[in-house]
Amino acid sequence: DSGVTQTPKHLITATGQRVTLRCSPRSGDLSVYWYQQSLDQGLQFLIQYYNGEERAKGNILERFSAQQFPDLHSELNLSSLELGDSALYFCASSVDQGYTIYFGEGSWLTVV
Amino acid sequence: GQQVMQIPQYQHVQEGEDFTTYCNSSTTLSNIQWYKQRPGGHPVFLIQLVKSGEVKKQKRLTFQFGEAKKNSSLHITATQTTDVGTYFCAGQPNTGNQFYFGTGTSLTVIP
Repeated sequence: DSGVTQTPKHLITATGQRVTLRCSPRSGDLSVYWYQQSLDQGLQFLIQYYNGEERAKGNILERFSAQQFPDLHSELNLSSLELGDSALYFCASSVDQGYTIYFGEGSWLTVV
Repeated sequence: GQQVMQIPQYQHVQEGEDFTTYCNSSTTLSNIQWYKQRPGGHPVFLIQLVKSGEVKKQKRLTFQFGEAKKNSSLHITATQTTDVGTYFCAGQPNTGNQFYFGTGTSLTVIP
């Protein structure tokens, strides 16, 4: 158990819909990262927050957005979903940049 | 743009054989991390390398960071079935904050 909690574990939704994935980082970790893992794209970095502020942005689509709240939990919002958005979405956390990154167990999203 | 390439993509070995995966960056890295992801699991941090030419060992695993800090390798001696999984490197460039993950090497160990 990494200490990073993600909900829901599995989600099936239709194209065009919107979903929210939730992440609680390890106690004491200020940085939260979101990754997308699909079979053909590998592990793709989406976005990073540190203590509520966006710190780095990766290959995140405009249809996706994220935020980190004052209690340090984070949400990833995916809208206008397409079939290609089906993937495993990981949240990870670390104390700060350059420190060990701990991954949650992921949220499986299936868009039908 | 920043790219981290990893080879090979797949590797099948007989149990007891050695295994090596290589990671190459298009730009100089400030540090590199290695992760292992078991089938159906999530990536688990293995190690971080920071210094040029650094070599670190964890039991049968040997990690190296190149002198130019643009490449790295993970070598497993005498593989076991418990080594099965995908090994990812993740490099952090000198400029910027994010880590760039390599494409991963999927290791299959045949008993």
